[in-house]
Amino acid sequence: QLRLQESGPGLLKPSETLSLTCTVSGGSISSSSYYWGWVRQPPGKGLEWIASIFYSGSTYYNPSLNSRVTIFVDTSKNQFSLKLTSVTAADTAVYYCARHRLGSGWFRGPADFDYWGQGTLVAVSS
Amino acid sequence: QSMLTQPPSVSGAPGQRVTISCTGGSSNIEAGYDVHWYQQAPGTAPKLLIYDNMNRPSGVPDRFSGSKSGTSASLAITGLQAEDEADYYCQSYDSFVSGYVFGTGTKVTVL
Repeated sequence: QLRLQESGPGLLKPSETLSLTCTVSGGSISSSSYYWGWVRQPPGKGLEWIASIFYSGSTYYNPSLNSRVTIFVDTSKNQFSLKLTSVTAADTAVYYCARHRLGSGWFRGPADFDYWGQGTLVAVSS
Repeated sequence: QSMLTQPPSVSGAPGQRVTISCTGGSSNIEAGYDVHWYQQAPGTAPKLLIYDNMNRPSGVPDRFSGSKSGTSASLAITGLQAEDEADYYCQSYDSFVSGYVFGTGTKVTVL
């Protein structure tokens, strides 16, 4: 059974850099059928996609966060990671990592998120 | 700012049928990008409910069904059960923003 587990600090100060890692177990991150992504959810609010990456390094980024976000993959450790710079209180959220399945239709990009981690709360406060 | 609009809430009695709409536009649903649906119970991670507009992953009851037409998609829940009380989100790709977008979310209440 595939399992994704987020790890990283739960509390940051404004202007610091958020770093999170997702460890994948029960399957290979080097599969040609999946991207791997990050989604966040501010307390009491909806879901926001952040970024997704293929094992080869191909990436998709949310344009609204693009200038502050980097996603990267370490196939040797079966992990992928997220860095978000210059955080503010608006970045306070539960951060989820998820498997982003490649679509089978005319659009060749990733489609749905079929497996999710349990999520980790990151709070930004001075 | 979400490009996919859902009603904030829907409710129904046990056994009833409820539907949740997901309204998009020419750069997402109408453009032909697939719509996916997620169920999120309180305090838990989202769970994939419907993928590629109408397909159910293994283990999802056939009480859940999806459809898509024009600029919108819908999720139907028949035979509503107490355990269906949760938040539901649609998701697709948007070519205008060149990224993946989630709907605004709908809270389903079982009366």
